[in-house]
Amino acid sequence: AQSVTQLDSQVPVFEEAPVELRCNYSSSVSVYLFWYVQYPNQGLQLLLKYLSGSTLVESINGFEAEFNKSQTSFHLRKPSVHISDTAEYFCAASGAGSYQLTFGKGTKLSVIP
Amino acid sequence: ETGVTQTPRHLVMGMTNKKSLKCEQHLGHNAMYWYKQSAKKPLELMFVYSLEERVENNSVPSRFSPECPNSSHLFLHLHTLQPEDSALYLCASSQDRGSWSPLHFGNGTRLTVT
Repeated sequence: AQSVTQLDSQVPVFEEAPVELRCNYSSSVSVYLFWYVQYPNQGLQLLLKYLSGSTLVESINGFEAEFNKSQTSFHLRKPSVHISDTAEYFCAASGAGSYQLTFGKGTKLSVIP
Repeated sequence: ETGVTQTPRHLVMGMTNKKSLKCEQHLGHNAMYWYKQSAKKPLELMFVYSLEERVENNSVPSRFSPECPNSSHLFLHLHTLQPEDSALYLCASSQDRGSWSPLHFGNGTRLTVT
């Protein structure tokens, strides 16, 4: 089974500054990777996913993540954050052929005005 | 109504009560899940149903009993719970139960066991 490590439990950042949320997963021959976002009092929503192909994936609201096989990482980045990005972000991974999705513990992003 | 709907949003129950959580998905998905979200812990997969058949039970105590009467509805029956069972219970669905299929979550039921 996969394991997922989110290195930071909390990340405060000023509005309009860049941010990177880190995620590492255990090695696997084939892996599917996801970032989910959870706003207060809501469930998780899919932000972006890597299944195959281009190692750089983007979301509709300006986030991007890069699959780095050699470093087993899938860090989430945004060049300029907004107040509305304040939420908890979860990295998740699964191995091909498995339906077990393993989540990290989450990173709380706080955007400071 | 679209998406995944969970009721109730909040539930307080005593250790001797029996209650049920309900989940309904309007996405035409074939797989449904129950997850437990506790503070400072990763999401824990509890149960997986695919085409109404239970395919996964992650060593969940028998005081939690799932039911999936059809592909759109999922229940979690609760009885004689413990205070450590207090958590946010999330229902999710996906097109298929394959690992490539993204999950769509409901807003959860916040359960407090007193």
